[in-house]
Amino acid sequence: AQSVTQLDSHVSVSEGTPVLLRCNYSSSYSPSLFWYVQHPNKGLQLLLKYTSAATLVKGINGFEAEFKKSETSFHLTKPSAHMSDAAEYFCVVSLSGTYKYIFGTGTRLKVLA
Amino acid sequence: EADIYQTPRYLVIGTGKKITLECSQTMGHDKMYWYQQDPGMELHLIHYSYGVNSTEKGDLSSESTVSRIRTEHFPLTLESARPSHTSQYLCASSHGTSGLSIGELFFGEGSRLTVL
Repeated sequence: AQSVTQLDSHVSVSEGTPVLLRCNYSSSYSPSLFWYVQHPNKGLQLLLKYTSAATLVKGINGFEAEFKKSETSFHLTKPSAHMSDAAEYFCVVSLSGTYKYIFGTGTRLKVLA
Repeated sequence: EADIYQTPRYLVIGTGKKITLECSQTMGHDKMYWYQQDPGMELHLIHYSYGVNSTEKGDLSSESTVSRIRTEHFPLTLESARPSHTSQYLCASSHGTSGLSIGELFFGEGSRLTVL
């Protein structure tokens, strides 16, 4: 069965410092993995996706994530946090051919001035 | 910017009223989804559709119903709203796969429903 675990429900960083949001997945087959961001009272916006090409995936707004099959992880990083990065982040896994998406419980990122 | 639209964005309604949340996409996507999200919580799939005249219930039981008469339109209806239906409802769509690659979800801005 597929599942996704976001290891931190809340993360606080200072502006200008690195961001690390952790995600582990469980999947019997080759997964597609996504990170989404949700600002208050908004829908979800795609940050980046992994679909069996390069293991280091670059996304929008300076975010990137690395797919590590041996660790079943897909952590999201950014070298330098900006105040506008404060939001809820969701890691999502999907199994090719099912069109079903499994969402993590979300990580709320707080950026301190 | 994704072309998927939800109306109304906000709705406050009394118990027992019938409501329809509209969702339309102009990308020609076959797959469409409705998710329910309580504040600060994860998303739960309540309905999905793989194409016209195809609808399925999702993982979270819901008293709402959906229809898919046209590719671009996927409305959600509650026949008799109750306070327990108060939540945010997010509509999404996705395109097909390319080999082993599954398409990402494109989301609308959400409809926040409050039932008094």
